[in-house]
Amino acid sequence: DQQVKQNSPSLSVQEGRISILNCDYTNSMFDYFLWYKKYPAEGPTFLISISSIKDKNEDGRFTVFLNKSAKHLSLHIVPSQPGDSAVYFCAAGNDGTGTASKLTFGTGTRLQVTL
Amino acid sequence: ETGVTQSPTHLIKTRGQQVTLRCSSQSGHNTVSWYQQALGQGPQFIFQYYREEENGRGNFPPRFSGLQFPNYSSELNVNALELDDSALYLCASSLVAGGAEAFFGQGTRLTVV
Repeated sequence: DQQVKQNSPSLSVQEGRISILNCDYTNSMFDYFLWYKKYPAEGPTFLISISSIKDKNEDGRFTVFLNKSAKHLSLHIVPSQPGDSAVYFCAAGNDGTGTASKLTFGTGTRLQVTL
Repeated sequence: ETGVTQSPTHLIKTRGQQVTLRCSSQSGHNTVSWYQQALGQGPQFIFQYYREEENGRGNFPPRFSGLQFPNYSSELNVNALELDDSALYLCASSLVAGGAEAFFGQGTRLTVV
């Protein structure tokens, strides 16, 4: 049972345009959501997070939107840069218990930013 | 401040053997989690250790076991290796009270032949 789903395995975007990566979840107990970026031969790198009490969190070029009623979140990257080319994982957890790092990950979306 | 480091980076084992993977947590982090990432999949939670005690476990059999030491470093042990255990094993450290951000090591690529 895939509780966190990233239905687009890959996405190609031109440099300077907006990249939108989507993620859906099924478990209502999730109350903290994160995006990680992964380059080949490296571990995932934390990018941005959002608590379920918010619907938007912004950090520079990266914005995460959360729609709790739809159990959907998205990551917007504006403007996209070639260095953003990587696999992006959506992850969900339950921060309230203090066991914050028991994360459930999606299968990832490979983003390619072209010149 | 040092990051999360894992050793070894690559390992080849034979089916039925046992393996130990090691992880040094980021400085100041008291919680370590282990994940298995199979090819083409997202990382799957194996278990978490907090102050040397197991603090939650994912859907993995008992032949996956772990330890956390007083300096918060950790080991993942896998007995009776199976071909399907071939994967990237990731260690992540975090602060229980510090939010949900987990910081990952570069992983150990285990190949079982």
